[in-house]
Amino acid sequence: DVKVTQSSRYLVKRTGEKVFLECVQDMDHENMFWYRQDPGLGLRLIYFSYDVKMKEKGDIPEGYSVSREKKERFSLILESASTNQTSMYLCASSGPSRTSGGAWDTQYFGPGTRLTVL
Amino acid sequence: RKEVEQDPGPFNVPEGATVAFNCTYSNSASQSFFWYRQDCRKEPKLLMSVYSSGNEDGRFTAQLNRASQYISLLIRDSKLSDSATYLCVVKGAYGNKLVFGAGTILRVKS
Repeated sequence: DVKVTQSSRYLVKRTGEKVFLECVQDMDHENMFWYRQDPGLGLRLIYFSYDVKMKEKGDIPEGYSVSREKKERFSLILESASTNQTSMYLCASSGPSRTSGGAWDTQYFGPGTRLTVL
Repeated sequence: RKEVEQDPGPFNVPEGATVAFNCTYSNSASQSFFWYRQDCRKEPKLLMSVYSSGNEDGRFTAQLNRASQYISLLIRDSKLSDSATYLCVVKGAYGNKLVFGAGTILRVKS
């Protein structure tokens, strides 16, 4: 059974603080993703990674950075937290492609971190 | 225009009812389609993939209409436990990214 864990369920930080959100998966998945989820907007992709030390910008990367030093771990960094970064942050992972539209596409999510920036 | 659009609902239905959700997508090159389910305060989980020929999994039926660029989910004999948000998800022709709709809320009442 795939397991994706996130370092905190709830986090409260102050404006300007540096924030680290960590995600670990135990399925040896190649791909990892960071999303934020806001009411009415759904899940929006922040960054993703296909391999160790590899990262690509998603749809809303501004104000965020990521780090993937090990295959199982993908970290999201808020360099200087702002109130508009208050949100639910979800990490996901998926396996390598075998056939088009196959098991590869299924993303497994962590339980989420609800971040409040005051 | 959003890449994936869904009616946010909520759909309030009695137990045993049949309910259908539609979702439209804007990128005609999209290749793969899915429905995810998200329970309150929980993470999204894959409900089912959507194939061109349509597919069924128990009480759930998914259909894809490429010509009109919409996907549907039909739930028959609704249960209280079906109450959740249903997310329409589309994968493009290139790359590994999934695009999520904002979700449709279903509330099944006794």
